[in-house]
Amino acid sequence: AQSVTQLGSHVSVSEGALVLLRCNYSSSVPPYLFWYVQYPNQGLQLLLKYTSAATLVKGINGFEAEFKKSETSFHLTKPSAHMSDAAEYFCAVSDYGGSQGNLIFGKGTKLSVKP
Amino acid sequence: EADIYQTPRYLVIGTGKKITLECSQTMGHDKMYWYQQDPGMELHLIHYSYGVNSTEKGDLSSESTVSRIRTEHFPLTLESARPSHTSQYLCASSGSPGRANEKLFFGSGTQLSVL
Repeated sequence: AQSVTQLGSHVSVSEGALVLLRCNYSSSVPPYLFWYVQYPNQGLQLLLKYTSAATLVKGINGFEAEFKKSETSFHLTKPSAHMSDAAEYFCAVSDYGGSQGNLIFGKGTKLSVKP
Repeated sequence: EADIYQTPRYLVIGTGKKITLECSQTMGHDKMYWYQQDPGMELHLIHYSYGVNSTEKGDLSSESTVSRIRTEHFPLTLESARPSHTSQYLCASSGSPGRANEKLFFGSGTQLSVL
């Protein structure tokens, strides 16, 4: 069965600093991996997804993530944080083994950006 | 832009009341989901549907029930609410059932508080 672990429930960075949000997955089959973002009082939105094509995936708002099979990781990065990036970020893996496409989410990491 | 709507946004009710959380999407999506989200915890899938007259239970056991009489509508019902049902409920939809890499579109959620 697939699972996802997000390291750090809360990350705080200064505006302009590097953003790094960590995600490790467990899967017995090649996974599909996703990052979703949830802004205050809004639903989750897809940031980016890995579907076995390029290992470096670029998403919206300048975010990108790199799939590293050897480390079973899919960390999310952004070179320079902006105040508008403050949100909660969820890593997810697809329940591909169940052939239903259901997503299994991590606990989320809340990103704060200081001026 | 996602066109999936949840009402009410917030609901505070007393124990024992019957409630229905509404979810509608205008994208013609076949697959719809209900997730339960508690602070600092994973999103847990509690129900999903492949299409009209199709409903399935998700990974997390829930006392709620769902129905899918119309493609665009996927309401969730609690016959007798209890304080343990206090949580945020997120509805989502996707266009292609069974495709593990499909993007989910989320509503803004209903924050339920049972006193």
